[in-house]
Amino acid sequence: NAGVTQTPKFQVLKTGQSMTLQCAQDMNHNSMYWYRQDPGMGLRLIYYSASEGTTDKGEVPNGYNVSRLNKREFSLRLESAAPSQTSVYFCASSPGRFESEQFFGPGTRLTVL
Amino acid sequence: AQSVTQLGSHVSVSEGALVLLRCNYSSSVPPYLFWYVQYPNQGLQLLLKYTTGATLVKGINGFEAEFKKSETSFHLTKPSAHMSDAAEYFCAVSDYGNTGFQKLVFGTGTRLLVSP
Repeated sequence: NAGVTQTPKFQVLKTGQSMTLQCAQDMNHNSMYWYRQDPGMGLRLIYYSASEGTTDKGEVPNGYNVSRLNKREFSLRLESAAPSQTSVYFCASSPGRFESEQFFGPGTRLTVL
Repeated sequence: AQSVTQLGSHVSVSEGALVLLRCNYSSSVPPYLFWYVQYPNQGLQLLLKYTTGATLVKGINGFEAEFKKSETSFHLTKPSAHMSDAAEYFCAVSDYGNTGFQKLVFGTGTRLLVSP
């Protein structure tokens, strides 16, 4: 039982390049989330997926797109990376109930030059 | 909308001293509250959560938190700090949103430093 896995762990991009961050969970959770973490700002929600087949914008969606490929997988795409997207990205999953905690992956550290 | 305020971006204690990390929340409905810990270069791990029932919640690694509705607080404590407790701690509250779908709203985090 691996929990939530993310790939890659580290990535360096040049401005304007694109990339996809992958996330998978093996806990049969309905809901999945993408966050970014920046110093002094806590975690900010980028996009979430309440259930398979649905996605919605969070607090900071500009510059990102997502795909809920199936119940297990939720990917985050940067179409044209900008230095402001330098951050640590976390994927999380949850059963989705109001009292439920979220389970986090190990993160992807992204640098955009 | 719900919100969380964590007082103090850094807290320093000596090994063996009391740990107190403060969290205040704003919520228009009875809140579900969480404390997470993040060790360097790792993801977030749940320490404890309050849903309903007993207001004193015990978590992993000797931590506990008390839900005080009158003070809108959910402070995290540990009687005796260990070096291994050095990490960043995040308080979070469930946000129901317009769709009724659960999201977590996080505070900005408190870094706990433990000195020998």
